[in-house]
Amino acid sequence: DQQVKQNSPSLSVQEGRISILNCDYTNSMFDYFLWYKKYPAEGPTFLISISSIKDKNEDGRFTVFLNKSAKHLSLHIVPSQPGDSAVYFCAASAQGAQKLVFGQGTRLTINP
Amino acid sequence: NAGVTQTPKFRILKIGQSMTLQCAQDMNHNYMYWYRQDPGMGLKLIYYSVGAGITDKGEVPNGYNVSRSTTEDFPLRLELAAPSQTSVYFCASSSNWFGQHFGDGTRLSIL
Repeated sequence: DQQVKQNSPSLSVQEGRISILNCDYTNSMFDYFLWYKKYPAEGPTFLISISSIKDKNEDGRFTVFLNKSAKHLSLHIVPSQPGDSAVYFCAASAQGAQKLVFGQGTRLTINP
Repeated sequence: NAGVTQTPKFRILKIGQSMTLQCAQDMNHNYMYWYRQDPGMGLKLIYYSVGAGITDKGEVPNGYNVSRSTTEDFPLRLELAAPSQTSVYFCASSSNWFGQHFGDGTRLSIL
């Protein structure tokens, strides 16, 4: 049972345009959500997070939106840069669970 | 700053062999985690620890064992390697449960 789903395995975007990565979840107990970025042959690195008490969190070019009623979150990258080409993982956790559940990942390619 | 160090980076095992994947962190983090990532899949939690002497099963613990005798180290043991355990293994640590720092992974092939 995949509790966190990223339905797009890959996404290709032109440099300078907006990249939108999507994530859906099924567990209504999830109350904290994170995005991780992963380059080849490296471990994932934390990018941005959001608590369920918010519907938006912004950090520079990265913004995460949370729609609790739809059990959906998205990561917006504006403007997209070549260095953003990586695999992006969505992750979620329920309060007190002390662990994360990851989605399958979306490979983002930024074209010059 | 080393962060989370995993050794080895690559390993090929024969079916039935055993090995230990090493993980060490120098950030004095209480929380440590082992994940596996299969092709096209996300990270699946194998085992985790909230402090020295305390470990718990994750989503896919079968075929693995862990121990946490010190804050710094969290080794993962494969006793009888099987082809289904071919994967990339990531270790992570954090001072809280969500801000996890990952190592660069161990790529393990079992033939």
